[in-house]
Amino acid sequence: GQQLNQSPQSMFIQEGEDVSMNCTSSSIFNTWLWYKQDPGEGPVLLIALYKAGELTSNGRLTAQFGITRKDSFLNISASIPSDVGIYFCAGPGGTSYGKLTFGQGTILTVHP
Amino acid sequence: DTAVSQTPKYLVTQMGNDKSIKCEQNLGHDTMYWYKQDSKKFLKIMFSYNNKELIINETVPNRFSPKSPDKAHLNLHINSLELGDSAVYFCASSQGRSNEKLFFGSGTQLSVL
Repeated sequence: GQQLNQSPQSMFIQEGEDVSMNCTSSSIFNTWLWYKQDPGEGPVLLIALYKAGELTSNGRLTAQFGITRKDSFLNISASIPSDVGIYFCAGPGGTSYGKLTFGQGTILTVHP
Repeated sequence: DTAVSQTPKYLVTQMGNDKSIKCEQNLGHDTMYWYKQDSKKFLKIMFSYNNKELIINETVPNRFSPKSPDKAHLNLHINSLELGDSAVYFCASSQGRSNEKLFFGSGTQLSVL
């Protein structure tokens, strides 16, 4: 089946630093999604990407749909403590409508 | 108002018991899902219903039976609970069968002892 690999698996950074994480796929995706999960909560959609090369921002977050359509990147600028959580990339998983394949997540810790 | 609400938040039970998790969404969406998150935080779809019709059924043991009385509700009943069923179960909803923008509930942490 389709697999998404995220890296890094975890990050420990100081408040104010910029963060970069990426996600690669074994197959081509037509849509890339980035979700964030706060502790004790469900994932929340941050950014959706629909076109190769697309660059989309949501506040301090910027995500890019890779040209090869097999990867995506998420950057967070000037991190703050509330950025703590798990960041997941996701994409349509096969032919079943609405089925998302998730990456294994990047755990972000921000030290004040 | 909570968009996707699931109850209970925590569920601790003995092996062999039967339990249910309830989910309701007030977003007017027509598609609802159950996802399972394991101890390594990996998320995997279990079921999906569109307008009360089952459209996705991953290779989940038949001890798990979803029920959708209407398009705003999707419940999950689990029979003969096993230790390996311990996980966090998330309900989610979306508008349309092919919409990848999911709205998740806050999860039910199931612990089987």
